[in-house]
Amino acid sequence: DAGITQSPRHKVTETGTPVTLRCHQTENHRYMYWYRQDPGHGLRLIHYSYGVKDTDKGEVSDGYSVSRSKTEDFLLTLESATSSQTSVYFCAINIGTSGQETQYFGPGTRLLVL
Amino acid sequence: KNEVEQSPQNLTAQEGEFITINCSYSVGISALHWLQQHPGGGIVSLFMLSSGKKKHGRLIATINIQEKHSSLHITASHPRDSAVYICAGTSGGGADGLTFGKGTHLIIQP
Repeated sequence: DAGITQSPRHKVTETGTPVTLRCHQTENHRYMYWYRQDPGHGLRLIHYSYGVKDTDKGEVSDGYSVSRSKTEDFLLTLESATSSQTSVYFCAINIGTSGQETQYFGPGTRLLVL
Repeated sequence: KNEVEQSPQNLTAQEGEFITINCSYSVGISALHWLQQHPGGGIVSLFMLSSGKKKHGRLIATINIQEKHSSLHITASHPRDSAVYICAGTSGGGADGLTFGKGTHLIIQP
């Protein structure tokens, strides 16, 4: 168990409202990731972080922002949610030595934007 | 841009059969991950390969770097192996995240 939790696990919101998803880890791993999973597209990288206050964009970053003010927390914010952001969101961390990393995934957050 | 192609998309087999799922990937990818996701469930990492072959129980993963191809094999398949299997590539040690195939939906019938 890599000690990753996500909150909330389920959320229903309305178009135009802000939403923040939280990923929390207990083991001080440096790298953290946010992915979304959609039928027909599979999993895609939204943003990732390589340390406190160090973040970078992934493949589908438009409409999302992230923050990492503490090693253990990586927040994903939808500033103004749209129906196209209805998805399952997974957080992940990188574990292992250089060249032998494995990613461990959180349990996921199901977001429905009406 | 890294790309990962996976086949087949769907696979139904009988219990006990030998299963093979294939993954090809683009130049720039230096390691391949195999992941498993049960219906409604979380994502579990099975293997990370940058060369050769790895085995865990009835699961075997191989990678051919020259051909940019990896396979996941399941021996003596069982209904509990029914899941979506996903291959994903990384470059440069994996710090910049994974690029995923679209997954193979495997059903093992008793």
